[in-house]
Amino acid sequence: QKEVEQNSGPLSVPEGAIASLNCTYSDRVSQSFFWYRQYSGKSPELIMSIYSNGDKEDGRFTAQLNKASQYVSLLIRDSQPSDSATYLCAVILNTGNQFYFGTGTSLTVIP
Amino acid sequence: EPEVTQTPSHQVTQMGQEVILRCVPISNHLYFYWYRQILGQKVEFLVSFYNNEISEKSEIFDDQFSVERPDGSNFTLKIRSTKLEDSAMYFCASSPNQWGVETQYFGPGTRLLVL
Repeated sequence: QKEVEQNSGPLSVPEGAIASLNCTYSDRVSQSFFWYRQYSGKSPELIMSIYSNGDKEDGRFTAQLNKASQYVSLLIRDSQPSDSATYLCAVILNTGNQFYFGTGTSLTVIP
Repeated sequence: EPEVTQTPSHQVTQMGQEVILRCVPISNHLYFYWYRQILGQKVEFLVSFYNNEISEKSEIFDDQFSVERPDGSNFTLKIRSTKLEDSAMYFCASSPNQWGVETQYFGPGTRLLVL
């Protein structure tokens, strides 16, 4: 079973729309969850972290965590063409202290 | 703004050769990491390093890999005998505290191609 799973996409949304990115993880007792953005050929950059059930908002980004469903999502409001990138979900599993990334979801925002 | 740097940006080597990938973490950071990303695949954790020793490593980090902090600034990843499947982008990262992901900075990466 894969530790962290994401739909690879591609996901296309028009400019100004809400983009919704989803991630599931295998370890029920995981505590730490992160969203990274990666532009093609570049290194990952952290967008948000979330540790508690519920929503966490930062500007146009909202992370949502549901530990019972082992599900974490990222909403991007008012999507911009510059948001076009691959979004990586990452989890620190409680079975160790390693940082597991999902395969990423490719997002394209169409002007 | 401080940043993690990596050299070289690209490395081409023959199968079986040794390569050393270099990283200069941010100067006041204490924890260092190596990740790899095979083209089109996910970012994979290799190893974390603190206080001059490995603190965590993944199954990928087998005996052909080693890490070292030879001086106060560099952090290196050595692959002793490269294989074709070692071809990937290798990212170094550093943070001031363990798994301090709010402040975990990734370097730009070294693209390794094994022929």
